[in-house]
Amino acid sequence: DIQMTQSPSTLSASVGDTVTITCRASQSISLWLAWYQQKSGKAPKLLIHKASILQSGVPSRFSGSGSGTEFTLTISSLQPDDFATYYCQQYNSWWTFGQGTKVEIK
Amino acid sequence: QVQLVESGGGVVQPGRSLRLSCAASGFMFSNYGMHWVRQAPGKGLEWVAVVWYEGTKKYYADSVKGRFTISRDNSKNTLYLQMNSLRAEDTAVFYCAKETSVLRAAGTFDAFDVWGLGTMVIVSS
Repeated sequence: DIQMTQSPSTLSASVGDTVTITCRASQSISLWLAWYQQKSGKAPKLLIHKASILQSGVPSRFSGSGSGTEFTLTISSLQPDDFATYYCQQYNSWWTFGQGTKVEIK
Repeated sequence: QVQLVESGGGVVQPGRSLRLSCAASGFMFSNYGMHWVRQAPGKGLEWVAVVWYEGTKKYYADSVKGRFTISRDNSKNTLYLQMNSLRAEDTAVFYCAKETSVLRAAGTFDAFDVWGLGTMVIVSS
């Protein structure tokens, strides 16, 4: 099974900051990685798929990069609506989620 | 608009059964693989099961294999999850989710672009 490890687990930031979340796979997953945003009590929302493709309707301040085993989600100019938990998910071989990164207000 | 609505959650005793449903609308349900994903209270997301668009291929996480059964009725645009021999550790919000790609080929996998609001399952005596 492919394991996904996100870092950090919690990130404190201010509005306007640029933040980066890292996701590492236990083996190569090529570009088969998605990022989701989940707000408290709500369903996850797809932000990015195939490592860097922005889902329709998602603001351009979100971007994804990486390939193989290391990936990043970058949020440029953090907005109040962006404080949430973010999950990576590999779909190279079945499906596995990372443990999540909570972005909180500093 | 594209929508998924889960139902069937509730409180159930350990060892008992429960069936979840997910009603789909706004897209050609029969063309997409569908999944169940769960989230225990305060925890992360855990993939549970998938059924291919045509309904013949079904796969499960090891944690539920042999106890849960995923199915779909394309004539009713509905996804199901039959959960038997429930355990306390099955307590979670269960989400249904739709794959991004239409008519996904066997041997490939996909992200999830639409999620339902979730239905809570509590397993407790």
